[in-house]
Formats: sequence, structure tokens, C-alpha cells
Amino acid sequence: AQSVSQHNHHVILSEAASLELGCNYSYGGTVNLFWYVQYPGQHLQLLLKYFSGDPLVKGIKGFEAEFIKSKFSFNLRKPSVQWSDTAEYFCAVISYNTDKLIFGTGTRLQVFP
Amino acid sequence: DTGVSQDPRHKITKRGQNVTFRCDPISEHNRLYWYRQTLGQGPEFLTYFQNEAQLEKSRLLSDRFSAERPKGSFSTLEIQRTEQGDSAMYLCASSLITGEQYFGPGTRLTVT
Repeated sequence: AQSVSQHNHHVILSEAASLELGCNYSYGGTVNLFWYVQYPGQHLQLLLKYFSGDPLVKGIKGFEAEFIKSKFSFNLRKPSVQWSDTAEYFCAVISYNTDKLIFGTGTRLQVFP
Repeated sequence: DTGVSQDPRHKITKRGQNVTFRCDPISEHNRLYWYRQTLGQGPEFLTYFQNEAQLEKSRLLSDRFSAERPKGSFSTLEIQRTEQGDSAMYLCASSLITGEQYFGPGTRLTVT
């Protein structure tokens, strides 16, 4: 069965620190990859997505992610975090032969001023 | 607001009662998904529709769960004879056939 692993369950950073959240998936075929964010009290929002093409994708609010097929990874990065980035971040995958999102368990990010 | 809407936002029910949730997708989206999220976990897929056809159901969706999308617009998710283990956030999402999924605010179910 497909699965998504997020290695960091809880990350605490100071403002201006750099961020990298790990995501690995288990499916070996063609995949579409996503990062969703859930700010406190709000619903899940799409941060960025990879369907094909350039493996380095840019999303909203200065986030980017790199798809490394050989490592089955899709890590999320941001050079300088802000207090407003405090949220829960979910990595998700859709494989070619299905239409359902498979989510990781999420990473809770806390950014302190 | 043209996003995905869900009703009610919160539901408290006693064990053994039936509950029904509604989801209104983004109007031009022909796919509609239901997910369930429990504390500390990511959302888990339950079922999805393309127009009015239910195309896939997860094994998580026991016989007590039923979902409908009768006219290819809004959808309902019913849970019969609720159990405490059904307590969770029930999320609805919609998409175009080839597009990303947009999520609603969810319905938080508490079974006492």
C-alpha cells in the first residue's frame, strides 16, 4: 500500500531561520505530489504541487519543494520563516492509478518571534 | 465565498444515533471527496464521486457509512449507529478531473 512519511512531527524555529521539512513516499510509479498547510483555526490549503517538469516547484508565501525521484522524496523548504508560518504542514501523494490523496501524519511548525 | 462549504461545523451526538453531514463543492468541480482526520493524523480517504457516480470507497468506510451525491452537486455522508470511534473531523474536498483538491472547513463529530 502507498504511504507517506513525514519525519519531523514537531519543529520549533525562531523567525528568520531556514526550514526544511522531510517527506518520503512509498509508491514507485508516476505520482503527483502536494504540500498542504493548515493554519490555526483554518482549513487545509494547498501550498504547492508537483505534477511534472521542473522538479523544483515554488508555491505561495515563499515556500518551495524539490522532487527527487531516486529518493522518493519531496521536501519542503523556506529560506527564512516568519511567525505567520506557524501551522501544520501535510505532505500528500496521488499515484497515477488512483485519485485519492494519501497524506502523511503532518508536521507541526512553531515559529517564535 | 465560492469555496467548499460543509454543514454543520460541529456535531455532538450520543452513541447509537445517526448523523448526516452535507458538503457543497466548488460549483464547477465534478469530483467530490470525503476524508476523515483524527487527532495527530493526516486526513484519510473515505470515498469519492465523479458527478453522481461513487467511484471508490475505502475499506475504512464500514457498512454504517453511506455517501451520496444524487444530482452531482452537493453530497451527504451519513453515519448510522454512531460509535465513539467515529469521533473525528470529516473533511470534504472538490476538484476538477485533473486538478488539485480544495478542502472545506470540515465537520467535527463528537460521539459521547
